[in-house]
Amino acid sequence: NAGVTQTPKFRILKIGQSMTLQCTQDMNHNYMYWYRQDPGMGLKLIYYSVGAGITDKGEVPNGYNVSRSTTEDFPLRLELAAPSQTSVYFCASSPRILRGNQPQHFGDGTRLSIL
Amino acid sequence: GNSVTQMEGPVTLSEEAFLTINCTYTATGYPSLFWYVQYPGEGLQLLLKATKADDKGSNKGFEATYRKETTSFHLEKGSVQVSDSAVYFCALDSGGGADGLTFGKGTHLIIQP
Repeated sequence: NAGVTQTPKFRILKIGQSMTLQCTQDMNHNYMYWYRQDPGMGLKLIYYSVGAGITDKGEVPNGYNVSRSTTEDFPLRLELAAPSQTSVYFCASSPRILRGNQPQHFGDGTRLSIL
Repeated sequence: GNSVTQMEGPVTLSEEAFLTINCTYTATGYPSLFWYVQYPGEGLQLLLKATKADDKGSNKGFEATYRKETTSFHLEKGSVQVSDSAVYFCALDSGGGADGLTFGKGTHLIIQP
């Protein structure tokens, strides 16, 4: 039972480089989310998707892009990495939600450092 | 907007001590409330939840009661173990569903043998 799988687990980037954080889920969930977690802070929503082909901005979308071509996959793209994007990134998914009654399932995270 | 406030950590307790981690929230409407736990190097796992006022969520000896009158959802456990050492996050879902959870900053709990 894989759940939500994120790759890579760790990555170091140089300023200005680009990369894609991968996220896939095998629970056939419609909703998927990307969060970032900074030290001593809670998680902040970057982008979310309510289904294939549909994405929307969260609280902190600047510097990121997403796509959702399939139900299973929700990659997060950093085009020009900046030190402020050093963080731990979590992908999550949940079923179609009725009044928020369904909890989100989280991946193990990607620890990203921009130097 | 929505917000969640948790007590600052780290919280250090001895094994078998009583635990309370305070959580209060601000939200429009009638949110669902959650406690998530994060063990070192892992993602967040749902610990318990409550979806309406006066509901009590419970799991693994942890409990939290949804108090609408005090806008609180405090986490409690009667006797903690070393294995409970982790970071605990209080979160809410405002009910719209699509725009994700609002998290508190997390409380680092350290249990000493």
